Amino acid sequence: DIQMTQSPSSLSASVGDRVTITCRASQRISTYLNWYQQKPGKAPNLLIYTASSLQSGVPSRFSGSGSGTDFTLTISSLQREDFATYYCQQSYSTPYTFGQGTKLEIK
Amino acid sequence: QVQLQESGPGLVKPSETLSLTCTVSGGSISNYYWSWIRQPPGKGLEWIAYIYNSGSTNYNPSLKSRVTISVDTSKNQFSLKLSSVTAADTAVYYCARPRAPFAFNIWGQGAMVTVSA
Repeated sequence: DIQMTQSPSSLSASVGDRVTITCRASQRISTYLNWYQQKPGKAPNLLIYTASSLQSGVPSRFSGSGSGTDFTLTISSLQREDFATYYCQQSYSTPYTFGQGTKLEIK
Repeated sequence: QVQLQESGPGLVKPSETLSLTCTVSGGSISNYYWSWIRQPPGKGLEWIAYIYNSGSTNYNPSLKSRVTISVDTSKNQFSLKLSSVTAADTAVYYCARPRAPFAFNIWGQGAMVTVSA
């Protein structure tokens, strides 16, 4: 299985901050990397697919980059509604695997 | 737009079989991949399986010996069966449909299943 490791596991930030979350794959996965946002009691919401493509309806302050084993999700200017848990997921090979999550909290 | 809704018992006894159904509305179940994903309380996400057009399936090896996924095109539903459950199978179970390449963009609301005597 491909292991996905996110860092940090938790992060405190303020509204307006620029935030970056990192995801590392245990082997090269090209750009088969997706990012999700999950709020308490809700299903995950796809933000970014294939590393850098913005899912329809997702605000442009979200962006993704990377290829191979190292990927980043950047939120350019945090809004109050962005405080949530973020997951990366590889879709390079089955079993599809997720990172352990990064909880973004209000400072 | 396409919507997914999970249904099934919220409580299952240890050693029994967990059965969930996902009803697809707003679109056809044919010619798409459909998946189950679970999330234990307070923990991360685990992909369980996918099915395509009733014939092609793929299971997470960690669960493969206990899982069956199937499609009922006449009802526009797909189902999950997980046998010999233990407390470790307690989780919110989501059904989901991915866009290519397996980025899950459509999710059900989730069904909480507790394994307990």
